[in-house]
Amino acid sequence: GDSVTQTEGQVALSEEDFLTIHCNYSASGYPALFWYVQYPGEGPQFLFRASRDKEKGSSRGFEATYDKGTTSFHLRKASVQESDSAVYYCALGNNAGAKLTFGGGTRLTVRP
Amino acid sequence: EAAVTQSPRNKVTVTGGNVTLSCRQTNSHNYMYWYRQDTGHGLRLIHYSYGAGNLQIGDVPDGYKATRTTQEDFFLLLELASPSQTSLYFCASSLGANTGQLYFGEGSKLTVL
Repeated sequence: GDSVTQTEGQVALSEEDFLTIHCNYSASGYPALFWYVQYPGEGPQFLFRASRDKEKGSSRGFEATYDKGTTSFHLRKASVQESDSAVYYCALGNNAGAKLTFGGGTRLTVRP
Repeated sequence: EAAVTQSPRNKVTVTGGNVTLSCRQTNSHNYMYWYRQDTGHGLRLIHYSYGAGNLQIGDVPDGYKATRTTQEDFFLLLELASPSQTSLYFCASSLGANTGQLYFGEGSKLTVL
């Protein structure tokens, strides 16, 4: 079945550091890929998506590029802020159905 | 802004108890979902529906029933709750299949003693 793997369970950075959260997927067909963000006490929120190989998705300074060759969709941000502290989820949506499969999540903590 | 409302926000029950979690969305979305969130497992899909009267099985359905009574309302039922079902439950909705843009509620924390 479909699966999403996020390598880092937790990431701790200082403000203005560069962020990378690794996401790799396994799926049949040609899935759409997503990033969601969850702030404390809230439900997850859609961040952005990409549907084709080499397509870049971006929002709020975050970006990720769909790479079919390496089955990856790594999240990056050039300069993180304390307000970026949250849990980030990578997900895939396969054309075979309407459901999303989420990764295990990565908790980002940014120190001021 | 999409609105998904869950109730109750917190629930404590005992093993073998009967629990119903409710979800209402006011955005005329076709799809509704129930996920559970556990540390180390992320979000796992329990059941989902694409319209009133419809139910689709998710990835972790054992021990759960669900019912979609109207386009707005989706219920998750635990008829014999077990401690393994202690979790944070999220309801979500989306306009259609494969859009991938889910709108989540704020969650319902269930504790089974």
